[in-house]
Amino acid sequence: KAGVTQTPRYLIKTRGQQVTLSCSPISGHRSVSWYQQTPGQGLQFLFEYFSETQRNKGNFPGRFSGRQFSNSRSEMNVSTLELGDSALYLCASSLATSRETQYFGPGTRLLVL
Amino acid sequence: ILNVEQSPQSLHVQEGDSTNFTCSFPSSNFYALHWYRWETAKSPEALFVMTLNGDEKKKGRISATLNTKEGYSYLYIKGSQPEDSATYLCASYSGGGADGLTFGKGTHLIIQP
Repeated sequence: KAGVTQTPRYLIKTRGQQVTLSCSPISGHRSVSWYQQTPGQGLQFLFEYFSETQRNKGNFPGRFSGRQFSNSRSEMNVSTLELGDSALYLCASSLATSRETQYFGPGTRLLVL
Repeated sequence: ILNVEQSPQSLHVQEGDSTNFTCSFPSSNFYALHWYRWETAKSPEALFVMTLNGDEKKKGRISATLNTKEGYSYLYIKGSQPEDSATYLCASYSGGGADGLTFGKGTHLIIQP
């Protein structure tokens, strides 16, 4: 079974731009969660989607948004990029809820200049 | 907001020695405790998901215990091997999961040959 895939793997943007990251979960998994990792910080929860609905949202500003499609693929969008948004963005999928085992993708490394 | 703490932050262990490290988490509204191993240039990989007080889980030379009443979990590695070098993350899921999985900052383990 194919694992979680994320595209693109690397991205360079400038302040003020917006960016869209994509995540394809393991086939049959309906829950997709997004996490941000910055230097010195642990993985921080952004949001979780299930059946095209946002189920939970972490403590991030409204510039961070996401969506999920009927095939469970998910995208996250960051608008008006700031230098502090430079991070590794990981998505993880699970069968039904993020309290189950999470299967992580390789991540997208975003650099904001 | 839930705080998950891991100690130590980093650890150097001689090959063949056994080691352990700690994850502490708020015990109120506890639902699940996850352990992941994150090797450099790879995705975090699930080790264990534990939910019951007194749970003990084992995978090869790695085992974990859970105390939900006092809010801590131990991860043990027996007979450390160089391939055990990684960052070990724990994460807690509580209550309705409004915060998703809350991760600690990890214990960075280096096995010295």
